Amino acid sequence: AQSVTQLDSQVPVFEEAPVELRCNYSSSVSVYLFWYVQYPNQGLQLLLKYLSGSTLVKGINGFEAEFNKSQTSFHLRKPSVHISDTAEYFCAPRSNDYKLSFGAGTTVTVRA
Amino acid sequence: DAMVIQNPRYQVTQFGKPVTLSCSQTLNHNVMYWYQQKSSQAPKLLFHYYDKDFNNEADTPDNFQSRRPNTSFCFLDIRSPGLGDAAMYLCATSRDLTGVQDYGYTFGSGTRLTVV
Repeated sequence: AQSVTQLDSQVPVFEEAPVELRCNYSSSVSVYLFWYVQYPNQGLQLLLKYLSGSTLVKGINGFEAEFNKSQTSFHLRKPSVHISDTAEYFCAPRSNDYKLSFGAGTTVTVRA
Repeated sequence: DAMVIQNPRYQVTQFGKPVTLSCSQTLNHNVMYWYQQKSSQAPKLLFHYYDKDFNNEADTPDNFQSRRPNTSFCFLDIRSPGLGDAAMYLCATSRDLTGVQDYGYTFGSGTRLTVV
């Protein structure tokens, strides 16, 4: 399994402000990339995934992410957050050995 | 409707007393996974089943075992839980090992295990 780095462990943000969560993965080979959200005491819910094709991927709840192969990044963005977006976010590349690796997570706290 | 169901949501067990966590799925997926997630950490893969084929991660302790009696059910057995095994245990499924079919990897809500 490859390593994945989520550059921000905590991201406080005001309601209706934009947010970007950064994710870099270590491999330069083609991978499949996922972002998951975890609400308190819940399982993981898929936000979006990149398999191939357009590098800009749109997901649920207004989130989108951009795959950048040259920078081995897959940053997640939302133009305007809500209180309900308060959660833990995990970047997860799935590499060619079929293993899904998870980053350490980014805690997003949205304040009114 | 929930597609991957984990029971119970919360489990308290005594130090050294065997405990079993349950996972069921209605997706008819071939692959079922168990992850361990300790507080404020990323989920860590323990093992997975592809149909009846069991695949253990190299660093999964022997204390952890799994059973998959049929397509729908998968169990995680902890033979002698220690305090360090307290964690959220997540079950996930996928149609195949690529994880890109249907919903990709579908996770249950998890079972939070407390060891006293």
